Amino acid sequence: GAGVSQSPRYKVAKRGQDVALRCDPISGHVSLFWYQQALGQGPEFLTYFQNEAQLDKSGLPSDRFFAERPEGSVSTLKIQRTQQEDSAVYLCASSRGLSGGLTDTQYFGPGTRLTVL
Amino acid sequence: EDKVVQSPLSLVVHEGDTVTLNCSYEVTNFRSLLWYKQEKKAPTFLFMLTSSGIEKKSGRLSSILDKKELFSILNITATQTGDSAIYLCAVRNYGQNFVFGPGTRLSVLP
Repeated sequence: GAGVSQSPRYKVAKRGQDVALRCDPISGHVSLFWYQQALGQGPEFLTYFQNEAQLDKSGLPSDRFFAERPEGSVSTLKIQRTQQEDSAVYLCASSRGLSGGLTDTQYFGPGTRLTVL
Repeated sequence: EDKVVQSPLSLVVHEGDTVTLNCSYEVTNFRSLLWYKQEKKAPTFLFMLTSSGIEKKSGRLSSILDKKELFSILNITATQTGDSAIYLCAVRNYGQNFVFGPGTRLSVLP
C-alpha cells in the first residue's frame, strides 16, 4: 500500500495478557518510530529503528515493552503483562531519511487503540 | 510541500533570562502543532496546540498558536541550566503526517 499500516486497529486485553502490535511502514523507508499517545496528549516517543537496528529505545516506559524490526521493514511492538496504564493509542511512523533525525517528515499509520481492562 | 521553520536555530542565554522560540508552518489540512524538548535522545512532549489564541502553560513554559498567521511561540521564563536542550516544533495534519522543524538549540549558561 501507499501508506503506513498498523494492525490490529483495536485491541482489548485483560490485565496481565501479552499483546503484539504490528506496523508495516512505507516501502523503502529506512526509519521507523513508535509513539504512545494518551487521550488528549501528543504522541510520546517510544523507540526508533534505522533499518533493523534499534538506535533508541529510551522512551520505552518499562521492560515489559519490547520492539523489533528483524528484517528492516515490518516492526512489532510487544507489551508483556499489560497493565491498565498501558491503555493508549500506539502510533507507528516511518520516514525516508537515513539520518533518522526527527526533522524528517514522518508518515503515520492509523494507530492501534489498546484498551487494557 | 509541507514545511516547518523554527527560529532562532541557536540561542545562548544566562540563567534567569526569558526566551521566546518561534515556529512558523505551511501545512495542508492542519490538525495540531506540538512542541517537544530533546535533551539527549528521546524527545519529551511539552504541548499540543489546536486552537488559536489559547495559551497553554506548564510551570515556566507557555505556548500559544496563531492559526491565522501560521505560527506558534514557546516562552520560557526564568531560564535554568536544565532548560538547555533542543526544542522541536512539529505540525501534524489530518493525513496523520508529522512534519518537524529543524529545532532551536537553547543553551542556558549559569
